[in-house]
Amino acid sequence: GAGVSQSPSNKVTEKGKDVELRCDPISGHTALYWYRQRLGQGLEFLIYFQGNSAPDKSGLPSDRFSAERTGESVSTLTIQRTQQEDSAVYLCASSARGRATEAFFGQGTRLTVV
Amino acid sequence: LAKTTQPISMDSYEGQEVNITCSHNNIATNDYITWYQQFPSQGPRFIIQGYKTKVTNEVASLFIPADRKSSTLSLPRVSLSDTAVYYCLVGDKNNAGNMLTFGGGTRLMVKP
Repeated sequence: GAGVSQSPSNKVTEKGKDVELRCDPISGHTALYWYRQRLGQGLEFLIYFQGNSAPDKSGLPSDRFSAERTGESVSTLTIQRTQQEDSAVYLCASSARGRATEAFFGQGTRLTVV
Repeated sequence: LAKTTQPISMDSYEGQEVNITCSHNNIATNDYITWYQQFPSQGPRFIIQGYKTKVTNEVASLFIPADRKSSTLSLPRVSLSDTAVYYCLVGDKNNAGNMLTFGGGTRLMVKP
């Protein structure tokens, strides 16, 4: 079907508020990744879901960050009590079983904390 | 964890061939070498992957020596639209997990 879809595309929030970012992976893709990219920087791994296995949360920068995934479908990344340093583009990617290194990325959510 | 090292930036001119080399001294037996391209305000896009020797597709060629400790992405006759950041990654395609690690990439600037 369609590619990886992320919403919203842009989000401006006040410091201290919670935000929820959504990712719809490609249908049938078992793996899902979240990354953070600050302006002019590379991608910073946040979390990885593979099927029904426990997620790899080793990249989450603090306990303000959490993510969930329903089966092999939609995922949400939640940032609580946002800080200005959370401002970045949040990218989601998915890949098919056996093709984990061929990830398809969404357009990202640009988060600005003011 | 197989770490990659690649130049921070490169400049080229339209019509030239561009070669970007990536070092991955600790590559594991099951690891594949994958290159992504990222344009401004977009997510990265897979462009090519290989295990050994040479791989070619409509976008690029990938050269991998026998020891697999490095690889070279070759872009033939670049145009202005090839200006982007290019990332080299190594990982097991059956279970990349958090091994799908993007470094800083190589920022390619193509000039007229």
